[in-house]
Amino acid sequence: GAGVSQSPSNKVTEKGKDVELRCDPISGHTALYWYRQSLGQGLEFLIYFQGNSAPDKSGLPSDRFSAERTGGSVSTLTIQRTQQEDSAVYLCASSFKETSGYTFGSGTRLTVV
Amino acid sequence: AQTVTQSQPEMSVQEAETVTLSCTYDTSESDYYLFWYKQPPSRQMILVIRQEAYKQQNATENRFSVNFQKAAKSFSLKISDSQLGDAAMYFCAQETNSGYALNFGKGTSLLVTP
Repeated sequence: GAGVSQSPSNKVTEKGKDVELRCDPISGHTALYWYRQSLGQGLEFLIYFQGNSAPDKSGLPSDRFSAERTGGSVSTLTIQRTQQEDSAVYLCASSFKETSGYTFGSGTRLTVV
Repeated sequence: AQTVTQSQPEMSVQEAETVTLSCTYDTSESDYYLFWYKQPPSRQMILVIRQEAYKQQNATENRFSVNFQKAAKSFSLKISDSQLGDAAMYFCAQETNSGYALNFGKGTSLLVTP
């Protein structure tokens, strides 16, 4: 597609459930990023994928968070045993070169009740 | 730790006027990239402008320009001839030492009044 696609757009889940958030980057973009945006805050780096290299997972806040990228394209961010503090907008971005600036998706708003 | 500070939580400008959004950052690197992103209510972050630190010339993109003061670690965004469609949250971001992750400020909410 022409842009970065994220699904679902909104997700409401019960505390303790697992959720999967999907990101489909721009075709040809080898770099993919996940960020978290909590209410009234800036963006917090979560994870970075580049081609077939090992991902940089240093921003993941706990071991309940994991992400994978299949075939160098689609990525899934999984949050296990969700907590209320996980409520946020999760933004995915991709880029051709890291310094060219990201193209972001519209994000998934996750609400844990 | 590298930090990005946007000291203006909210700004207001009248249509057709000019507004400047402030941003300061902290780094020990000599070459790095700086960015301004716009986030309208649709949530999608849109790249407005970027600046490479070793280039002394200020970046411009149509009505958007920056005032980059490397020694002062200041990177302000000027919006000329403001339009209603410019209303959004604006985030300043700095490339981290990783070369790919960005540190973002907390944003400035820009209101444009007719």
